[in-house]
Amino acid sequence: AQKITQTQPGMFVQEKEAVTLDCTYDTSDPSYGLFWYKQPSSGEMIFLIYQGSYDQQNATEGRYSLNFQKARKSANLVISASQLGDSAMYFCAMREGTGYSTLTFGKGTMLLVSP
Amino acid sequence: DTEVTQTPKHLVMGMTNKKSLKCEQHMGHRAMYWYKQKAKKPPELMFVYSYEKLSINESVPSRFSPECPNSSLLNLHLHALQPEDSALYLCASSQGEGVYEQYFGPGTRLTVT
Repeated sequence: AQKITQTQPGMFVQEKEAVTLDCTYDTSDPSYGLFWYKQPSSGEMIFLIYQGSYDQQNATEGRYSLNFQKARKSANLVISASQLGDSAMYFCAMREGTGYSTLTFGKGTMLLVSP
Repeated sequence: DTEVTQTPKHLVMGMTNKKSLKCEQHMGHRAMYWYKQKAKKPPELMFVYSYEKLSINESVPSRFSPECPNSSLLNLHLHALQPEDSALYLCASSQGEGVYEQYFGPGTRLTVT
């Protein structure tokens, strides 16, 4: 079974609108972290936001917020007031455990922002 | 400063060449990673170094040889590569064990001819 599922291969949004990118995860470990990364066409993976499994509040970073629904095992990324520069591939990822562990990525969602 | 640098940005090499990719971070991170990413796919983990020791090798062919000379540097030595090894190679670092975010470099686009 996939550990990270991103069901939207592509999303379109108009500039200044909000958009939600979906991510569901699967783990039996009580301690885990969820991450969102942005990858523009230039290739660099840009860290956007982090949510820990024990965090009580949803993470926010500027225009990015993470809608964390633990019971549903979902960690959707919300981008408010989209900008043309937000056009990129977005990856949801998870790290499990308190010891050493690796990052598992979803397949990604390509977001296109139109004027 | 959350910068990870990688050189070169682009590399074209023949199947008989030997080349090296370099990665550097000055954030005091104790874990460093190499990923391989094919077009339109997520990154795939290749190697992990923790406190300058190889911690994870994801069954990578021996034509890829990682090296961690010190806590700030990570190299990937390439020898006798195949055309299917053409990809974006990403380096990343994180504070260390536990659920920490990884910071990525800009990558090296490798083409094997």
